[in-house]
Amino acid sequence: EIVLTQSPGTLSLSPGERATLSCRASQSVSSSYLAWYQQKPGQAPRLLIYGASSRATGIPDRFSGSGSGTDFTLTISRLEPEDFAVYYCQQYGSSLSFTFGPGTKVDIK
Amino acid sequence: EVQLVQSGAEVKKPGESLKISCKGSGYSFTSYWIGWVRQMPGKGLEWMGIIYPGDSDTRYSPSFQGQVTISADKSISTAYLQWSSLKASDTAMYYCARRDPLGVQDYWGQGTLVTVSS
Repeated sequence: EIVLTQSPGTLSLSPGERATLSCRASQSVSSSYLAWYQQKPGQAPRLLIYGASSRATGIPDRFSGSGSGTDFTLTISRLEPEDFAVYYCQQYGSSLSFTFGPGTKVDIK
Repeated sequence: EVQLVQSGAEVKKPGESLKISCKGSGYSFTSYWIGWVRQMPGKGLEWMGIIYPGDSDTRYSPSFQGQVTISADKSISTAYLQWSSLKASDTAMYYCARRDPLGVQDYWGQGTLVTVSS
């Protein structure tokens, strides 16, 4: 089973700053099968990025994903007030199993 | 518009049974896998299992195998998650989510809060 580790646990930034979130896998993940989700308090997760770098429908272009193998990154180029939330990476495979990382909380500095 | 609408919050006692639901609309319900995800209070997301409503093929995470049952009734476009004997540790928010053809969970239900307390 692939284990995902996210860092940092909490990222304290100001609106307008750049956020860089890391997701590391215990073994290689096909980049076709790495996703990022955003979750705000009291809400369901929302799909941001799939296939490591493809934005989901309606996601602003300030969100971008990159990486391959065991190291993946979600970048928010300029934080907007609505971007302060928890972000999860997820590996999903053709085997129909899914694994989530523990999450990174982006909060207001 | 694709929608997954889940049943309302539940308060149960330890040992009781429970079945919560997730109704899909706006797409061909029988053609997409539906998964369930647990989120315990203040914690992260845990994948529980998944079902294909077209033929009821079901897979479980090893962590949840034997602890819950996932089912579906394609005639009413509804998936279910059920417990035969709840424990306090089952207290959590439960989400259903559709798996798209690329494998990612693209649409999510609003969540069902289950509280188990004596």
